[in-house]
Amino acid sequence: SQELEQSPQSLIVQEGKNLTINCTSSKTLYGLYWYKQKYGEGLIFLMMLQKGGEEKSHEKITAKLDEKKQQSSLHITASQPSHAGIYLCGADIVPTSGTYKYIFGTGTRLKVLA
Amino acid sequence: NAGVTQTPKFRILKIGQSMTLQCAQDMNHNYMYWYRQDPGMGLKLIYYSVGAGITDKGEVPNGYNVSRSTTEDFPLRLELAAPSQTSVYFCASSYRGGLSSPLHFGNGTRLTVT
Repeated sequence: SQELEQSPQSLIVQEGKNLTINCTSSKTLYGLYWYKQKYGEGLIFLMMLQKGGEEKSHEKITAKLDEKKQQSSLHITASQPSHAGIYLCGADIVPTSGTYKYIFGTGTRLKVLA
Repeated sequence: NAGVTQTPKFRILKIGQSMTLQCAQDMNHNYMYWYRQDPGMGLKLIYYSVGAGITDKGEVPNGYNVSRSTTEDFPLRLELAAPSQTSVYFCASSYRGGLSSPLHFGNGTRLTVT
């Protein structure tokens, strides 16, 4: 089973609509990152959340971290075609025994209809 | 700065052939990683390195080898290619591991083994 589950797996919205993508961890989150990937390209870093309750915004994208729920949400306001792509959450789960483990969710494929 | 550079962009291999995927970064990052991305499966960590001369296995290391002789380069070697290794491979780097250190990704190598 995935340690980081994202929902929904895919999303199609009309331009101008708001949307939310969720990332839920089966383990304690020490920090969470959001990335965006366009087809055929690598991942681009969007935001990093480190503390419970922390909220960050970049242009029309807002991300929140709920440590108690072990969950993060990414919210896009007034979506545009430029927001289309695959959104992935990544996390450093549990730093034990010096073993570094950085994992990713399965991704959410977003399509915005003009 | 070029960031993280991966070569080649595309490659088709026959079963049993070998190849090396190249990765170079010019950001003086200590940490480097190799991931593979299969459709609908997110990113899986193959190998990572915390500095020159140090490498360690990730989640899916079987069938691959790495070396890290310099800070800049982190090649991934496939010795006996198998169809299960058909995937998109991403190299990434970060200044350090853990929190406050997002990953910088290359644009990927799309590998097909037939």
